Amino acid sequence: DGGITQSPKYLFRKEGQNVTLSCEQNLNHDAMYWYRQDPGQGLRLIYYSQIVNDFQKGDIAEGYSVSREKKESFPLTVTSAQKNPTAFYLCASSGGDGPYEQYFGPGTRLTVT
Amino acid sequence: AQRVTQPEKLLSVFKGAPVELKCNYSYSGSPELFWYVQYSRQRLQLLLRHISRESIKGFTADLNKGETSFHLKKPFAQEEDSAMYYCALKSFQKLVFGTGTRLLVSP
Repeated sequence: DGGITQSPKYLFRKEGQNVTLSCEQNLNHDAMYWYRQDPGQGLRLIYYSQIVNDFQKGDIAEGYSVSREKKESFPLTVTSAQKNPTAFYLCASSGGDGPYEQYFGPGTRLTVT
Repeated sequence: AQRVTQPEKLLSVFKGAPVELKCNYSYSGSPELFWYVQYSRQRLQLLLRHISRESIKGFTADLNKGETSFHLKKPFAQEEDSAMYYCALKSFQKLVFGTGTRLLVSP
């Protein structure tokens, strides 16, 4: 079954703890993205990676970190420095062939208390 | 700066009524625009892209460069169209999303 997977679906953490969200794709896509989705604010780009071992900050990167050691994987770490981490996080990927399209994962809902 | 504006947070219509979800953009260059849709309990997915000039599920969207708009239209709404709709602008291999419009189609 091809596509993008995110795990876990729900994640609960205590304030002050770092937490890592998983994103894996088997679409052979070079580019991967992390978004945060909040009610009334749409999707905001956190980080993106166009190629392995390279990534760039998006619009709201503060308090987050990423790595891209493998083409298939783009984990996102929400650090304790992120002031408002409770949100729905979406991962996406896009390939280089054909018209541009981003394919999205099912999302992870993170709750920090 | 690149920006996408969707002025309506919620659009509520009756089944069979026409629908228009508004999208305006700000972009210095030749824009590439998309509509993405998120049905309840489903992933965000591409609905249509302006360069294809296609009709998907009865929806169409025309790029109007003079008005910097890319409104999504459907002549007769169906209950299954109820979803969250996002307009997006491609900018340097990234997408800039609007804040979204929730469409509710009542029977």
